[in-house]
Amino acid sequence: GQSLEQPSEVTAVEGAIVQINCTYQTSGFYGLSWYQQHDGGAPTFLSYNALDGLEETGRFSSFLSRSDSYGYLLLQELQMKDSASYFCAGVNYGGSQGNLIFGKGTKLSVKP
Amino acid sequence: ETGVTQTPRHLVMGMTNKKSLKCEQHLGHNAMYWYKQSAKKPLELMFVYSLEERVENNSVPSRFSPECPNSSHLFLHLHTLQPEDSALYLCASSQVLGNGELFFGEGSRLTVL
Repeated sequence: GQSLEQPSEVTAVEGAIVQINCTYQTSGFYGLSWYQQHDGGAPTFLSYNALDGLEETGRFSSFLSRSDSYGYLLLQELQMKDSASYFCAGVNYGGSQGNLIFGKGTKLSVKP
Repeated sequence: ETGVTQTPRHLVMGMTNKKSLKCEQHLGHNAMYWYKQSAKKPLELMFVYSLEERVENNSVPSRFSPECPNSSHLFLHLHTLQPEDSALYLCASSQVLGNGELFFGEGSRLTVL
């Protein structure tokens, strides 16, 4: 089967660091992407890991370990505006063509 | 503004109606996608087009019918829908198929009465 598991909710305070984990079971797996979605808004792309290791983009970092079927999104210096849902998505070539399979999302609440 | 525009933003229709959702991308991308987003569920991939050819149809009921007349436009034609089809329908595009970076539109919120 093809599935990605991530926690449903996470709560943290402003200025803190939070890590959102994503474990997956998928065949023909190619890479892991992360998306942010505010309530009522469109998902927006945050990062893509095609290789194992850490990718850093400002306050956000993403990690992938294919041997462990695991990745995470790390958010540093949390701000209130980071309150949103975060989705991991596997880039899958198991079907006829490449496409993204999404996890159910993690709702992050940042408190003052 | 992501460069992907969807219309209408909100749609209410009866089960016997026929309507269409429209998506336009201004990014020069080669691949376009329809996703369905329901509460408490992952985004579900419905259809994928690459260079105007359909490359994926994830067992979507025939009451949903996609159309891609050119690489910038994507439609989703709706007919005889069911109340459980009420959801947010998201269009997305990517530069090439399967590169992991999708650009999403704001979505069309569909309510089927």
